[in-house]
Amino acid sequence: AQSVTQLDSQVPVFEEAPVELRCNYSSSVSVYLFWYVQYPNQGLQLLLKYLSGSTLVKGINGFEAEFNKSQTSFHLRKPSVHISDTAEYFCAVRGSQYGNKLVFGAGTILRVKS
Amino acid sequence: SQTIHQWPATLVQPVGSPLSLECTVEGTSNPNLYWYRQAAGRGLQLLFYSVGIGQISSEVPQNLSASRPQDRQFILSSKKLLLSDSGFYLCAWSQVGGGKSSGNTIYFGEGSWLTVV
Repeated sequence: AQSVTQLDSQVPVFEEAPVELRCNYSSSVSVYLFWYVQYPNQGLQLLLKYLSGSTLVKGINGFEAEFNKSQTSFHLRKPSVHISDTAEYFCAVRGSQYGNKLVFGAGTILRVKS
Repeated sequence: SQTIHQWPATLVQPVGSPLSLECTVEGTSNPNLYWYRQAAGRGLQLLFYSVGIGQISSEVPQNLSASRPQDRQFILSSKKLLLSDSGFYLCAWSQVGGGKSSGNTIYFGEGSWLTVV
């Protein structure tokens, strides 16, 4: 079955340190890739998306992600995190092989410590 | 600009009682509409999606139903709630067509916390 795997359920990191949240998907054809962020008790907010073109995508709040087709990955990165980045992050994939529906990973909780 | 509203934000209901969660989208016409559920500690599960008035597709068999009585209104219902229906419910929308830049991004509402007791 087509799936999205977020390899880490929780990532603790100190403030101002870099962070990478990993995402892999199962597909051999074209997909659209997304990262969403969910702050406590809130809905999901789009961080960034890859539709086509440059494989390095920049999003809001200083986040970026790189699409790697050969490794079927779309890892999210930030060079220096803040306490306010503490949230749950969801990777999502959409494409014809997923029935054109948005399929989500299980989420990664980023905990930024001071 | 487009906005999505979802209510109520929080709901505590006894087992066996009915449910109605409402969602409306403003600033666009003929959107695709979605209901997702997020159970505690788990990812998001697509429950229903709709491509037009009265057109509802169900993704998983369950105790819930959805309706779309108007173009920009999407309602999630249940006649008798179960304990397992507890969770965070998210309404979402996306544009139809408009090319890759708009047709493939889904935007979410603020969510509704449902606790069945």
